[in-house]
Amino acid sequence: GENVEQHPSTLSVQEGDSAVIKCTYSDSASNYFPWYKQELGKGPQLIIDIRSNVGEKKDQRIAVTLNKTAKHFSLHITETQPEDSAVYFCAASMAGANSKLTFGKGITLSVRP
Amino acid sequence: KAGVTQTPRYLIKTRGQQVTLSCSPISGHRSVSWYQQTPGQGLQFLFEYFSETQRNKGNFPGRFSGRQFSNSRSEMNVSTLELGDSALYLCASSLSVLATNEKLFFGSGTQLSVL
Repeated sequence: GENVEQHPSTLSVQEGDSAVIKCTYSDSASNYFPWYKQELGKGPQLIIDIRSNVGEKKDQRIAVTLNKTAKHFSLHITETQPEDSAVYFCAASMAGANSKLTFGKGITLSVRP
Repeated sequence: KAGVTQTPRYLIKTRGQQVTLSCSPISGHRSVSWYQQTPGQGLQFLFEYFSETQRNKGNFPGRFSGRQFSNSRSEMNVSTLELGDSALYLCASSLSVLATNEKLFFGSGTQLSVL
């Protein structure tokens, strides 16, 4: 089955700096890659997603890039703010009868004021 | 539009008991998936329901079961609770089946503690 890995497990940046979170996946058939943000006491919130037919997608301060050849995708947050502090999960899935989202273990992002 | 609603928010049970968790999906969403979240294992897929039928199941023992009603609301049941079942149980809904890579929207979860 699919295996999604995130490294490192924690990331600390200064407010205003950029943060990049990377994930790798194992199954070349995966074609959907969402990113979720989870704040304390809440469920994961979908912040951006990308499908395998595009290489990059942007939404204001957030962007996701996908490298299908290397089987990795990254979340880019520019001009970080304290409210960006949270746990970020990447996930992967493939269309098909047994489709399910496989998540990475998550990375804790801390934005220092 | 209201989001995914899970009840109860917190549960404390003892070993050997059973528990039922409830999930109301976003209006119009027909697929409901359940995930278990623990610090060590992250988010693990339990099962997906669509049109009252289980579509897919993760690698969990038969003590974990679920069902979906005609209004798309779903319940999850865990029987003969074990200490290791302590976790945050998350419900997520999507417009259609996961097989089409629909966007998944999560509720806030039910925090289950087994003593």
